[in-house]
Amino acid sequence: DAGITQSPRHKVTETGTPVTLRCHQTENHRYMYWYRQDPGHGLRLIHYSYGVKDTDKGEVSDGYSVSRSKTEDFLLTLESATSSQTSVYFCAISESPPRDTQYFGPGTRLTVL
Amino acid sequence: LAKTTQPISMDSYEGQEVNITCSHNNIATNDYITWYQQFPSQGPRFIIQGYKTKVTNEVASLFIPADRKSSTLSLPRVSLSDTAVYYCLVGDGKNNAGNMLTFGGGTRLMVKP
Repeated sequence: DAGITQSPRHKVTETGTPVTLRCHQTENHRYMYWYRQDPGHGLRLIHYSYGVKDTDKGEVSDGYSVSRSKTEDFLLTLESATSSQTSVYFCAISESPPRDTQYFGPGTRLTVL
Repeated sequence: LAKTTQPISMDSYEGQEVNITCSHNNIATNDYITWYQQFPSQGPRFIIQGYKTKVTNEVASLFIPADRKSSTLSLPRVSLSDTAVYYCLVGDGKNNAGNMLTFGGGTRLMVKP
């Protein structure tokens, strides 16, 4: 399996609090992605990165920000968590889309009360 | 972005061949077709990718007609462990800032004994 870890794996927080999820890779892949998965919606892209300090918005980016200061780390921040952001968050990496496979992390289950 | 349409769910029995068809009517010239498999509580996993005609690997086959407006994932002799959600993705990767692959809802395959 590709070397991707996500932390934390589970988190419960309250509405209005900031939350940061971390994705760490050991593959030195250029591209990194954050998805959320909700019942009935499949996976939806939040933000992605195509290099250090290079990021762009995905399909559902409102309420989320990202940062990538090192090749191996991609952070997803919810500045003020809301209940609608309760979801499972997956990080993925790829060398060079679209030919190259996206490898996914184990996921983070976030509950916002 | 090319969008895809797949059946929501399918049932099969152990030992049968399963064919899952994906429609992508507005596929672009540079688009590749990729299939992923996802088990509960795990991130998606790459199965197979193709551009045209037929591609086969140790897990599955992918059939793509000449017009490329659809594709069919074929799983030979399925077992209970093939019960999962299968996603069809289409992407071009022309954008240097990344390839915004759209996962969609996927097809939930249930294999029965």
